[in-house]
Amino acid sequence: GDSVTQTEGLVTLTEGLPVMLNCTYQTIYSNPFLFWYVQHLNESPRLLLKSFTDNKRTEHQGFHATLHKSSSSFHLQKSSAQLSDSALYYCARPGGAGNKLTFGIGTRVLVRP
Amino acid sequence: EAAVTQSPRNKVTVTGGNVTLSCRQTNSHNYMYWYRQDTGHGLRLIHYSYGAGNLQIGDVPDGYKATRTTQEDFFLLLELASPSQTSLYFCASSEGARSERLFFGHGTKLSVL
Repeated sequence: GDSVTQTEGLVTLTEGLPVMLNCTYQTIYSNPFLFWYVQHLNESPRLLLKSFTDNKRTEHQGFHATLHKSSSSFHLQKSSAQLSDSALYYCARPGGAGNKLTFGIGTRVLVRP
Repeated sequence: EAAVTQSPRNKVTVTGGNVTLSCRQTNSHNYMYWYRQDTGHGLRLIHYSYGAGNLQIGDVPDGYKATRTTQEDFFLLLELASPSQTSLYFCASSEGARSERLFFGHGTKLSVL
């Protein structure tokens, strides 16, 4: 069935260093859509990136990700982390029939000075 | 920016109690969703709907009912609340296509004692 697996737990890093959060997926569909959502403390999740084109890099707010169907991956990257990037990050994809969106368990990122 | 409003923001009830969470969206979106958010589980879909009078079962529906009375209003009902339903509940809406983004409300924090 359809599922999403992402880096688990807490990722702690120092400001200015690169960050990469892993996301892999399983699907029966040949043209998957993948999303990254971000949720800052005491806020609601909001869309960060989305992609449905194989091997095309998508960018927003300094973050980028590339959908690779060959490896079923959609890893989130940023070259230089900022303190304001501390948040909970969700990888997500539509799952099954209908329009329901299935989220991974989330990866918490803590950026320290 | 899309607007999704949830009420109440916080709710405390006792085991066996009856709770209704409300959600209203003013974006003319077709789809509405109820998610619960728990540490270690991420965002899990309870129920969703693609229009007034329609209801679709999500991934964790046990113990929950939902009703979509109008295009704008979607309610989540807990008729016999249990402590396991203590959680942060998010309502969201989308236009409906698989590639569309979800717009989330601010969440309702429910505590079942």
